[in-house]
Order: sequence, then structure tokens, then C-alpha cells
Amino acid sequence: NAGVTQTPKFRILKIGQSMTLQCTQDMNHNYMYWYRQDPGMGLKLIYYSVGAGITDKGEVPNGYNVSRSTTEDFPLRLELAAPSQTSVYFCASTPQSYNEQFFGPGTRLTVL
Amino acid sequence: AQTVTQSQPEMSVQEAETVTLSCTYDTSENNYYLFWYKQPPSRQMILVIRQEAYKQQNATENRFSVNFQKAAKSFSLKISDSQLGDTAMYFCALPTGNQFYFGTGTSLTVIP
Repeated sequence: NAGVTQTPKFRILKIGQSMTLQCTQDMNHNYMYWYRQDPGMGLKLIYYSVGAGITDKGEVPNGYNVSRSTTEDFPLRLELAAPSQTSVYFCASTPQSYNEQFFGPGTRLTVL
Repeated sequence: AQTVTQSQPEMSVQEAETVTLSCTYDTSENNYYLFWYKQPPSRQMILVIRQEAYKQQNATENRFSVNFQKAAKSFSLKISDSQLGDTAMYFCALPTGNQFYFGTGTSLTVIP
């Protein structure tokens, strides 16, 4: 049982490049989330999904896109990377909205 | 609107001593859950303890316990017999609707 996995662990992008952060969970959770954590700060919600085919914006969605074609996968797409997107990105999942969230190990992204 | 406030950005404690981390929140709901998460230098988010608002008894997990004051909307975390491995960021979290609201965190350092 791997839980929530994220790839890659680290990535350096040039300004204007695009990439997809992968997130997969094997717990059959309906709810999945993407957060970003800037240095010394808390977590800010980017996007979330309550089930396959359903996504919604969080607090800081600009510059990102998501899709949820399966229960297991919830990729986060960065288009036209900017230095302001330098951050650590966490994916999380939970079976119900009021349950504990299970987090992936994070992806450290640097945009230069 | 839901808010979570952690007013102590940094704290330190001597090994084997007790420390209390503060958290206040605001919600219009009557039944809800509250969580404390720990984020060590590895960045992995780890659930420390959870409290259900309809339960008057304070939750405990080994050396970790909470002081839950529903009327005051206060949810503090007490760590007894502090250990070096407790050095981490600690986040208070309030799930509401489909989202989780996190505080800005308290950086705890355990001094040998």
C-alpha cells in the first residue's frame, strides 16, 4: 500500500516552460487536493477534486490546471512557469471531506 | 468564513520539558473536526492528533494531547516529555465543506 505518491521529487524549470506534476493514490479516496507551500509558510490550496471528472478551484489557482479522469490520478499542470511558482507542491487525498488528509512526499519546484 | 490562526511563529523547548502550541479558529458549523499535523525537516506531513467537536473529552495520543475549548474556539496542542524528534513545523487544520484550512504553522525546536 503506497498511499499517495508524487513525481518528480525535484524539478528545475526555465521561465515559460510547462510541466505536469503527477499524483497517484491507491486508497480509493474520492477527494484529492493540490497545495503549494512557500518557504516558511503554511499550505495554500490550488485545486481540489471530489471525484473523477469533478474539479474546483482553491485559493491560488492562477497559472495551474488540473484534471481527474480516474479516481487514482490527479495531475497538476503548470503552463508558462514563472518564478512566483517556485514552491513545494503537495498532493493529498481523503475518503471523505471531514477526514484526515493523507499527504504525498512533495515536489520541490524551482523556476529560474 | 473559516479561519485558522496560529499566533506563535516559533517556539523552543528543552528536551524532556512540556510545551503548548496555540491555535484558534472560526467556523459557523456546530459539528466539525480539528487536526494537528507535524512537518519535520523531511517535509512529510504527518497527522499528530484529531479532535471531534461533539466530543467533550480532549483527545490524547501518547505524549500529545489537546486542550479543546469549543466556546472559545481554541485548540491547543500539548507535547509532554519533548524529544529531539519533535523538532518540526506544526500546523493546525480545520476541514470545512470540501476544503481543509491550515494555520500558518509554528516552528518548534527541541533543545538538547
